[in-house]
Amino acid sequence: DGGITQSPKYLFRKEGQNVTLSCEQNLNHDAMYWYRQDPGQGLRLIYYSQIVNDFQKGDIAEGYSVSREKKESFPLTVTSAQKNPTAFYLCASSIRPGVGYNEQFFGPGTRLTVL
Amino acid sequence: SQQGEEDPQALSIQEGENATMNCSYKTSINNLQWYRQNSGRGLVHLILIRSNEREKHSGRLRVTLDTSKKSSSLLITASRAADTASYFCATATGRGGADGLTFGKGTHLIIQP
Repeated sequence: DGGITQSPKYLFRKEGQNVTLSCEQNLNHDAMYWYRQDPGQGLRLIYYSQIVNDFQKGDIAEGYSVSREKKESFPLTVTSAQKNPTAFYLCASSIRPGVGYNEQFFGPGTRLTVL
Repeated sequence: SQQGEEDPQALSIQEGENATMNCSYKTSINNLQWYRQNSGRGLVHLILIRSNEREKHSGRLRVTLDTSKKSSSLLITASRAADTASYFCATATGRGGADGLTFGKGTHLIIQP
């Protein structure tokens, strides 16, 4: 059963704590992406990675960090430096960056609430 | 910044009618994609249209692209209750979207039975 999984589905954290959101894919895709969605809004790009051990900042990277040690995994850490972290976080992947026209496949999302 | 802007923000129609959503964008694009999101879920890719294409069909979906006006439209024909969702356009600039997509705020479509 191929796809992208994100865990947990719901996450609560106290102000000042770091938290890591998981994203795993078994589609053998090279590129992975993290987006943030606020209520009634579109998605905004946080970080992306086109190859293992390499990643790039998106439009709203401040207060976030990522790693890409394995092709299948692209975890996102929301740090205490992120001023307004409560949001819906979506992970996506695409097959091969820069070749052709690539659609993105999305995970089910993690809803993070800061108490 | 938001590259795409969908219009209308919300649309409510009767089952069986056609639904049309529009998207405008600001800069040159490589391709434009439409996605659907059911409430509280991830996005599902619907259709991709390249910058050198003008129209594309997929089942009940028809997408048009006018690069001179920097706009696209998504038509859903013979709507069904299951089409109720938010629809987003997303634009890809360099390298076909390898650097990530830029999304609009979406159109919330409600199909009334």
